[in-house]
Amino acid sequence: EPEVTQTPSHQVTQMGQEVILRCVPISNHLYFYWYRQILGQKVEFLVSFYNNEISEKSEIFDDQFSVERPDGSNFTLKIRSTKLEDSAMYFCASSVSLSPPDTQYFGPGTRLTVL
Amino acid sequence: GQQLNQSPQSMFIQEGEDVSMNCTSSSIFNTWLWYKQDPGEGPVLLIALYKAGELTSNGRLTAQFGITRKDSFLNISASIPSDVGIYFCAGQGGGSGYALNFGKGTSLLVTP
Repeated sequence: EPEVTQTPSHQVTQMGQEVILRCVPISNHLYFYWYRQILGQKVEFLVSFYNNEISEKSEIFDDQFSVERPDGSNFTLKIRSTKLEDSAMYFCASSVSLSPPDTQYFGPGTRLTVL
Repeated sequence: GQQLNQSPQSMFIQEGEDVSMNCTSSSIFNTWLWYKQDPGEGPVLLIALYKAGELTSNGRLTAQFGITRKDSFLNISASIPSDVGIYFCAGQGGGSGYALNFGKGTSLLVTP
């Protein structure tokens, strides 16, 4: 069964450093998403992306964040200057379309630790 | 995002018992979804509900989309140890775009 994959599984970085989290969505999916989950808290939406553009973003997704689809398969989340509070699990998700009955399928996540 | 209230926060039950958890929102959603998350992994979709009043089953799981579109419940019958995990409800649409709005989760522990 096709699945969303993410790399790395765990990233440790120093505060102020840039990180890039990578995702390979399911191959026939057109809509891509990033969510994050701070330890012990709920999953929070960051951004959605379609046709090489951001289609929706939350207040969390400020100027420190950016997303890109650099080629036909990868979808990346960049954090320019990491802060301690960016430490979280970051989940990529993808869907075929936006409208129900389609649903979003999640990857296994990247655990980001900012020291 | 919109606030979802999910309860209970945690449950500790014996194998074989039935489980019920629910989510409420102050706003309406067009879709309600239930996900399960195992430690260190991403959420896995269990059931999706697309119509107010809809009742859907997936094996031992049953979920309903509330008639007001502001709530949903998930029941697990005859629980087994592998049901252990965190269960999240998520609402989609209804003015919140296509982003999923998650509840805070219900942590389920099942003892043999």
